[in-house]
Amino acid sequence: DIQMTQSPSSLSASVGDRVTITCQASQDISNYLNWYQQKPGKAPKLLIYDASNLETGVPSRFSGSGSGTDFTFTISSLQPEDIATYYCQQYDNLPPTFGQGTKLEIK
Amino acid sequence: EVQLVESGGGLVKPGGSLRLSCAASGFTFSSYSMNWVRQAPGKGLEWVSSISSSSSYIYYADSVKGRFTISRDNAKNSLYLQMNSLRAEDTAVYYCARDGIAARAPEYFQHWGQGTLVTVSS
Repeated sequence: DIQMTQSPSSLSASVGDRVTITCQASQDISNYLNWYQQKPGKAPKLLIYDASNLETGVPSRFSGSGSGTDFTFTISSLQPEDIATYYCQQYDNLPPTFGQGTKLEIK
Repeated sequence: EVQLVESGGGLVKPGGSLRLSCAASGFTFSSYSMNWVRQAPGKGLEWVSSISSSSSYIYYADSVKGRFTISRDNAKNSLYLQMNSLRAEDTAVYYCARDGIAARAPEYFQHWGQGTLVTVSS
């Protein structure tokens, strides 16, 4: 199985900060990488698909980049409602696998 | 509006069985691949199983292969997960998730249900 490693595991930032989360795949996955947001007690929500495509309705402060093994997820200006856990997920090979998650908190 | 509503979760003893259902609405169910994804309490996300739009392609995580069976009824807009020989480590919230496209294999999970909790304990 392809291992997905996110860093950091947790992150504390202030409103308005630029926040970056990285995701590294254990092998080349091209651009077959998605990002999800999960708020406490809620289902995950798709934010970014195919590494850099913003899902319809998702605010433009969210973005993604990368290809191969190294990927980046960015929130350009952190808002209070962005407090959540974020997961990356690859689908280059079965089984689709998720990163361990990055818990984002407000400082 | 896409809606996915899971049901069928509950408390079951180790070795027992449970059948989860997912009722879909707001889209052409027969056109999309469907998935089950689970999340153990306080843990991350784990893909469980996928089924293509016409049930031609079915995949399972190694952790559930031989014990779980995914199926769908396109006439009833419903997805199912039959879970047998349940173990404590199967305890999780189980989410029904619609894929973004009608692919042969799972790609991105575009829409999710609210989840149903399965607890395996004696």
